[in-house]
Amino acid sequence: KAGVTQTPRYLIKTRGQQVTLSCSPISGHRSVSWYQQTPGQGLQFLFEYFSETQRNKGNFPGRFSGRQFSNSRSEMNVSTLELGDSALYLCASSRSSGGAGDTQYFGPGTRLTVL
Amino acid sequence: QKEVEQDPGPLSVPEGAIVSLNCTYSNSAFQYFMWYRQYSRKGPELLMYTYSSGNKEDGRFTAQVDKSSKYISLFIRDSQPSDSATYLCAMSAQGGSQGNLIFGKGTKLSVKP
Repeated sequence: KAGVTQTPRYLIKTRGQQVTLSCSPISGHRSVSWYQQTPGQGLQFLFEYFSETQRNKGNFPGRFSGRQFSNSRSEMNVSTLELGDSALYLCASSRSSGGAGDTQYFGPGTRLTVL
Repeated sequence: QKEVEQDPGPLSVPEGAIVSLNCTYSNSAFQYFMWYRQYSRKGPELLMYTYSSGNKEDGRFTAQVDKSSKYISLFIRDSQPSDSATYLCAMSAQGGSQGNLIFGKGTKLSVKP
């Protein structure tokens, strides 16, 4: 069974630009969550999508947005990039069936560098 | 006070040692507890998932949850060089599958041959 895939794996942008990252969940998984990982703050939750609707949201500015498609694939967008947005962006998927042991599985991440 | 505190290490042990990794938390609503392992330049990999208090064992790994003390632990027996990685604790009030996992900052472990 294929794992969570994220594209692109590496990205370099300049301040003020915008970026779109893509995530394909494990087959059968309906929930997709996004996290930002930095050395200073660690892993921080951005938002979660389930059945094309945002179900949970973390404490990030409105420049960070996302969406989910009918096939459960998800994209996140960051507009007006700032130097502090340089991070590893991780996508995680889960069945979200409420069953025992149902939890999140992570992709390899997209490393974004803002110059 | 951060919701989840985890000693960042680094922690260096000889091969074969027993490793103890710990997290404390402040939110009494947390009921779902996870340990992830992250190798350099990779995404976190789920190691252990427990609900509420108690112990769970899987091979060389044992997870313990003490909700009364708001303290969770991961023990690694017979540690191997391949266990060298960063270990992240994570927890949630809503269930492990529903977004918004709160992570510790991770403990970097090095197992020396």
